[in-house]
Amino acid sequence: GAVVSQHPSRVICKSGTSVKIECRSLDFQATTMFWYRQFPKQSLMLMATSNEGSKATYEQGVEKDKFLINHASLTLSTLTVTSAHPEDSSFYICSACIQGFYNEQFFGPGTRLTVL
Amino acid sequence: ELKVEQNPLFLSMQEGKNYTIYCNYSTTSDRLYWYRQDPGKSLESLFVLLSNGAVKQEGRLMASLDTKARLSTLHITAAVHDLSATYFCAVVPSGGSNYKLTFGKGTLLTVNP
Repeated sequence: GAVVSQHPSRVICKSGTSVKIECRSLDFQATTMFWYRQFPKQSLMLMATSNEGSKATYEQGVEKDKFLINHASLTLSTLTVTSAHPEDSSFYICSACIQGFYNEQFFGPGTRLTVL
Repeated sequence: ELKVEQNPLFLSMQEGKNYTIYCNYSTTSDRLYWYRQDPGKSLESLFVLLSNGAVKQEGRLMASLDTKARLSTLHITAAVHDLSATYFCAVVPSGGSNYKLTFGKGTLLTVNP
């Protein structure tokens, strides 16, 4: 149980285009999902917290107009990188949270974004 | 602001040897997690530690938590090549409804034959 999927797993796009990444909780309902970014050989950095039915909460330094997050249902959150640039190339990982005794996060397999 | 420090950041060890990775954090915490990440992959949950003195073991890995010292350790016993990966600790600060994880920088473990 507690499986999280991401789609696509890998995407290559031209500079200036927008890319949408989906994060789905397959066998549970997730009221909260998180979006992380990981640059090569670095740790995970939280970008935003996504709550179903409400606006996402962005971490300091993350541009909300560039990284659009929508959490329209209890099983789906999307991250759209708008007007992508090469510096946005990164590994994007989502996690979904089951609210319970210790609110464990379950991580998706990640999406590798390369902007040319 | 919660800070999480791991050391060492790089660890090269021989098969069969023992070693410990340390994770220090700066504020009180409700729980601490250890994750493994293989190259190009996402995170795999290893352990969640919830209380002072908690110890969990899985195979050659054992994790412990000392909340008074704000320290967790991940001990590797008789390392094998398959354990080569990056290991992260992550902490959730105490109180409120905050369950955001703050990650350490990770320890890149290489186990050599």
